Amino acid sequence: GAGVSQTPSNKVTEKGKYVELRCDPISGHTALYWYRQSLGQGPEFLIYFQGTGAADDSGLPNDRFFAVRPEGSVSTLKIQRTERGDSAMYLCASSLDHSPNEQFFGPGTRLTVL
Amino acid sequence: RKEVEQDPGPFNVPEGATVAFNCTYSNSASQSFFWYRQDCRKEPKLLMSVYSSGNEDGRFTAQLNRASQYISLLIRDSKLSDSATYLCVVLFSGTYKYIFGTGTRLKVLA
Repeated sequence: GAGVSQTPSNKVTEKGKYVELRCDPISGHTALYWYRQSLGQGPEFLIYFQGTGAADDSGLPNDRFFAVRPEGSVSTLKIQRTERGDSAMYLCASSLDHSPNEQFFGPGTRLTVL
Repeated sequence: RKEVEQDPGPFNVPEGATVAFNCTYSNSASQSFFWYRQDCRKEPKLLMSVYSSGNEDGRFTAQLNRASQYISLLIRDSKLSDSATYLCVVLFSGTYKYIFGTGTRLKVLA
């Protein structure tokens, strides 16, 4: 079956612009995670959704970052007033439910802020 | 101190060698543990979960030491295809946050 997909695969933007990154999880997976990964580092937790609600958004670095999952499937990570420090690979993962389970990662969106 | 720590490596080993990685975690109330593998410019993929009694999957063995707060991954008979970054992942009790280590880079040499 289809895995997790993310669009776009690459996004180049200018400092101060707004960007949206999209994640399509595996069908039927209720848990969805967003991570940010910089070179030489492991993925850093940003936010976790169980269904439509954000069960844990403690990893969002500041209020420029926001994520939604209005129908409990597709999720969008939104970044306002982008800064050069936001440049990273943004990974989305889904798993069957909230219990400790295998997470299936998408290929990521490479964000570059000039 | 980081919540999950790994030696970043790289570990350069010849084909056929046995290699082991450790990962330490800071929260004694940790619930679940995993090893993920990440190939260069690819997404992480689950290698194996780590169970309290230890578990084995082919050439890979994972161990958990709760008293010393570390998990380990042992790879026997290394293959060239084992070259990758191995990420230690910990889920702390009462949270939904999976904490990833920085990863340990392994290069298996012909």
